Amino acid sequence: EPEVTQTPSHQVTQMGQEVILRCVPISNHLYFYWYRQILGQKVEFLVSFYNNEISEKSEIFDDQFSVERPDGSNFTLKIRSTKLEDSAMYFCASGGQFLNTEAFFGQGTRLTVV
Amino acid sequence: AQSVTQLGSHVSVSEGALVLLRCNYSSSVPPYLFWYVQYPNQGLQLLLKYTSAATLVKGINGFEAEFKKSETSFHLTKPSAHMSDAAEYFCAVSLNTGGFKTIFGAGTRLFVKA
Repeated sequence: EPEVTQTPSHQVTQMGQEVILRCVPISNHLYFYWYRQILGQKVEFLVSFYNNEISEKSEIFDDQFSVERPDGSNFTLKIRSTKLEDSAMYFCASGGQFLNTEAFFGQGTRLTVV
Repeated sequence: AQSVTQLGSHVSVSEGALVLLRCNYSSSVPPYLFWYVQYPNQGLQLLLKYTSAATLVKGINGFEAEFKKSETSFHLTKPSAHMSDAAEYFCAVSLNTGGFKTIFGAGTRLFVKA
């Protein structure tokens, strides 16, 4: 069964460092998303991406965040200068061609900023 | 604005008892509604979804949910709880806003007592 894969599963980084979280969406999907879940809290929408551009972003997604689809298969989230409060589980998701399909979520990358 | 409210951050049931997890939504347009389950330190797994077809939706692991427009509810039930059902459950609403953004509720942690 097709699935969204995320790497790495866990990343530890020092405050102020740049980090790139990687995702391989389901191959025929056109819509891509990043979500964040701070430990013990709910899952929050960060950004959606379609046709090689951001279609929507939340207030969390400020200038330190960026997304990219560098090739036909990967979808990345870059955090330019990490802060302690960026520590969270980050989920990538992708959605099908028709808008009434759900988003399929990856297993997440746990980011720990020290 | 669209939102999801889950009533009860923690629910505890005995093994074999009925599971009822409550979810109310707010949406100005017909929503797509979902229940996800998250086991400790794992990703999000889709339990079931409502996409304007049958109002009673059956999902995996014996769970089902009923969409009630008049009550703006989408409560999750399972007739008989199993120890393996212990997890965090998230109700979510998805909207066509130029993407397919999913908005999650705060989650309900289900405890199952032997």
